Amino acid sequence: DAGVIQSPRHEVTEMGQEVTLRCKPISGHDYLFWYRQTMMRGLELLIYFNNNVPIDDSGMPEDRFSAKMPNASFSTLKIQPSEPRDSAVYFCASSPTENYGYTFGSGTRLTVV
Amino acid sequence: AQKITQTQPGMFVQEKEAVTLDCTYDTSDQSYGLFWYKQPSSGEMIFLIYQGSYDEQNATEGRYSLNFQKARKSANLVISASQLGDSAMYFCAMREGLPTGQNFVFGPGTRLSVLP
Repeated sequence: DAGVIQSPRHEVTEMGQEVTLRCKPISGHDYLFWYRQTMMRGLELLIYFNNNVPIDDSGMPEDRFSAKMPNASFSTLKIQPSEPRDSAVYFCASSPTENYGYTFGSGTRLTVV
Repeated sequence: AQKITQTQPGMFVQEKEAVTLDCTYDTSDQSYGLFWYKQPSSGEMIFLIYQGSYDEQNATEGRYSLNFQKARKSANLVISASQLGDSAMYFCAMREGLPTGQNFVFGPGTRLSVLP
């Protein structure tokens, strides 16, 4: 298995632009998670899905952030409009229902200038 | 209150020696899991070891072992025979409400530097 695949690996965008981060979970994993990592706040859970349905989005910072999972093999995290304070590494992770650990993707390093 | 505490922001260890990274946690759940992840400078998050709250034996995975003291709510990671490639950030994490709970909380991390 190729693991959790995220794209792009790096993204540099200007303030006000729309940014879309993509994730392909491991096949068969029922849970998908989006995390954000910054020096100041560490790893924060933004949202997670179970069987493509958003379960808890309480970690999403504000309305500028949205996430979708149209099918079991694809999820997006969108920021519109982006701001410099959104600069961070965004991780996607997936987990099978009966397992206890997450498998993380390689992350997307987002820089908003 | 912090659910996961890692009191050592940075640690140094000599190559080939053992090192213990501290982790204490706070939960009122009876069923939970404790995890350690490694994040090298390349940025990926690598799963190292898992300990369930009902596991009576300490978990081991190769050079990694988890010193689980339930009454003290501590789950320290022990790395034996440190290697230069062990230099990285190490995160302790907890998943509450197993088996279905998805509340997964990470600690602030400890940066380990292995000296030649």
